[in-house]
Amino acid sequence: AQSVAQPEDQVNVAEGNPLTVKCTYSVSGNPYLFWYVQYPNRGLQFLLKYITGDNLVKGSYGFEAEFNKSQTSFHLKKPSALVSDSALYFCAVRDLTDSWGKLQFGAGTQVVVTP
Amino acid sequence: EAGVTQFPSHSVIEKGQTVTLRCDPISGHDNLYWYRRVMGKEIKFLLHFVKESKQDESGMPNNRFLAERTGGTYSTLKVQPAELEDSGVYFCASSQLGPSYNEQFFGPGTRLTVL
Repeated sequence: AQSVAQPEDQVNVAEGNPLTVKCTYSVSGNPYLFWYVQYPNRGLQFLLKYITGDNLVKGSYGFEAEFNKSQTSFHLKKPSALVSDSALYFCAVRDLTDSWGKLQFGAGTQVVVTP
Repeated sequence: EAGVTQFPSHSVIEKGQTVTLRCDPISGHDNLYWYRRVMGKEIKFLLHFVKESKQDESGMPNNRFLAERTGGTYSTLKVQPAELEDSGVYFCASSQLGPSYNEQFFGPGTRLTVL
C-alpha cells in the first residue's frame, strides 16, 4: 500500500528566508510525486510534479522539489519565502502500477511566513 | 478556461438528512475524481469516473454514499442519510485522459457539516 508522510503540521519562516516543506513516501513501485497548495477559500493548485529524469523539479511561484529515491523523499523548497506563500501544502503520490491515477495525499503542512 | 466548480461551497445539515454535492469538471476532461478531507487529516480518494463509468470506487466509505456522472459531464455525490463522521471538505478534480501523471485540477471544495 502506498502512503505519504508530511512530518510537520506547521512550518514557520520569516520572509526572505529559505522555506522547506518535508515529504516522504512509500510505494510498491516507482512513484509519480506531486505538490499542491491550497490558499484560503480556494481549491488545491498544482505546483509541480516528478515523473522521471532530473531529480530537481522546478514549478510554479519559484518553488522546486528534490526527488531522493534512497531516502524516499520529495521535499518542497523555495530559496526566499514571501508572505503570500502562507498556505496549506500537500504532497501526493501516485503509484506507476495504478493506471487510473488516483492520488494518495499527506495530511498537509501549514506554512506561515511572517513579515 | 473555466476551472472545476463545486456547489454548494458550504452545507450544514442535521444527522439523518440527505445532501447532494455537485461537481462540474473542466470541459473536455473525461477523468473525474472525488476526494474528501476529514478533520484536518489527509485528503482521501473516494472514487474515479472515466466519462460516465465508475472506474474505481474503492474509497467510498459505505453504501450511504452514491455518486453519479450523468452523460459524462457533471457529477453528483449524494450522502443519505448523513452521519456526524461525514463532516469534512469534499473535493472534486478532473483531468484529461492520457498518461496517469496528467495533473488533476481541483475545485474549491464543498465544506459539509453534519450536526
